[in-house]
Amino acid sequence: DAGITQSPRHKVTETGTPVTLRCHQTENHRYMYWYRQDPGHGLRLIHYSYGVKDTDKGEVSDGYSVSRSKTEDFLLTLESATSSQTSVYFCAIKGQYYGYTFGSGTRLTVV
Amino acid sequence: QQQVKQSPQSLIVQKGGISIINCAYENTAFDYFPWYQQFPGKGPALLIAIRPDVSEKKEGRFTISFNKSAKQFSLHIMDSQPGDSATYFCAASDIYNQGGKLIFGQGTELSVKP
Repeated sequence: DAGITQSPRHKVTETGTPVTLRCHQTENHRYMYWYRQDPGHGLRLIHYSYGVKDTDKGEVSDGYSVSRSKTEDFLLTLESATSSQTSVYFCAIKGQYYGYTFGSGTRLTVV
Repeated sequence: QQQVKQSPQSLIVQKGGISIINCAYENTAFDYFPWYQQFPGKGPALLIAIRPDVSEKKEGRFTISFNKSAKQFSLHIMDSQPGDSATYFCAASDIYNQGGKLIFGQGTELSVKP
């Protein structure tokens, strides 16, 4: 989708283990975002980045950390996965004219 | 003040009918209001968007109506088709501040019956 890929697409992990999700863009955009999607909640912002090594928290950042060492990669880490973090995770980039482009998502199940 | 409230949660419309989804916001700093369409297993895709300097924007069968004084905006889908069956999200953003982050409504699941 328009130069943005997420990996993995699906993951099952055990409670208490660390998990890292990757978002890769090929369009050199400055802004990147991580959202989680849960029924009845829409999409909620976890963290975002406005440049290499520049990140900030969103509304549901507890239990998550991010890193951006290169323009093209934005990593989301669940430091110690819990069942409440079972969700679908979407990465997005902000392109020209304000529009966001979303990746295809990562479905994460914590058992 | 960052919330965007969306209604209804679900909507069933007959083919050829008009689908209407409403959103309300509180933060008067918001200056960009997009609608996203999402099919199962896919990421949301930008459908149409409006800035607050206009009251209406139309693209094909999709129209956004915007009421700045009431802090409300809505999506109208004319001549609804079964292929329009999807989840729709409204969103709002202060595009030049706070990282331009989008605040989403809760979503509306639209089903268009043949």
